[in-house]
Amino acid sequence: RKEVEQDPGPFNVPEGATVAFNCTYSNSASQSFFWYRQDCRKEPKLLMSVYSSGNEDGRFTAQLNRASQYISLLIRDSKLSDSATYLCVVVTNFNKFYFGSGTKLNVKP
Amino acid sequence: DTGVSQDPRHKITKRGQNVTFRCDPISEHNRLYWYRQTLGQGPEFLTYFQNEAQLEKSRLLSDRFSAERPKGSFSTLEIQRTEQGDSAMYLCASEGDIAEKLFFGSGTQLSVL
Repeated sequence: RKEVEQDPGPFNVPEGATVAFNCTYSNSASQSFFWYRQDCRKEPKLLMSVYSSGNEDGRFTAQLNRASQYISLLIRDSKLSDSATYLCVVVTNFNKFYFGSGTKLNVKP
Repeated sequence: DTGVSQDPRHKITKRGQNVTFRCDPISEHNRLYWYRQTLGQGPEFLTYFQNEAQLEKSRLLSDRFSAERPKGSFSTLEIQRTEQGDSAMYLCASEGDIAEKLFFGSGTQLSVL
């Protein structure tokens, strides 16, 4: 079983739409959670951390549900520039970062 | 440029040849990671250094792969007797002591013919 599972998509949405991604993780002892963004043929870059209390950064909201072992990312008012692959990342003890396979988002005009 | 740098950006080699990649992390970062990524997949953990100590190596990493970080600064990843299945993007990332935040280099794209 993979450490982190994500729906690969693609999610094709019009500009201005709200879109949500989920990911599940298998290790209940996981300590930290993140969303990274990866543009085509580029390296992954940190988008935001994910906390149990939920956190918001502009149009982006991330939430963690430890009981069900999933994390989510909500993007409101989608922009063309949001088109990318979104990677769910889970950190276990000993600083091991596990990446999901990514969810591809295409925002259409 | 104070980010993570990787060299070369692209490498084309013939099956059976050895290749070596270099990673220069952000200077004050103690932890350095190597990942491999193929099309449509997320980065897959290969190995991890804390300063010069290699703390963990993925079970997926065959004996043909070796990594070093001799002085706790730059790191090298060597693949011996390359196979076509080794074709992938090899990403290096570094992390500071305080924040759990990975900074990636631009990667080395390996093509084994």
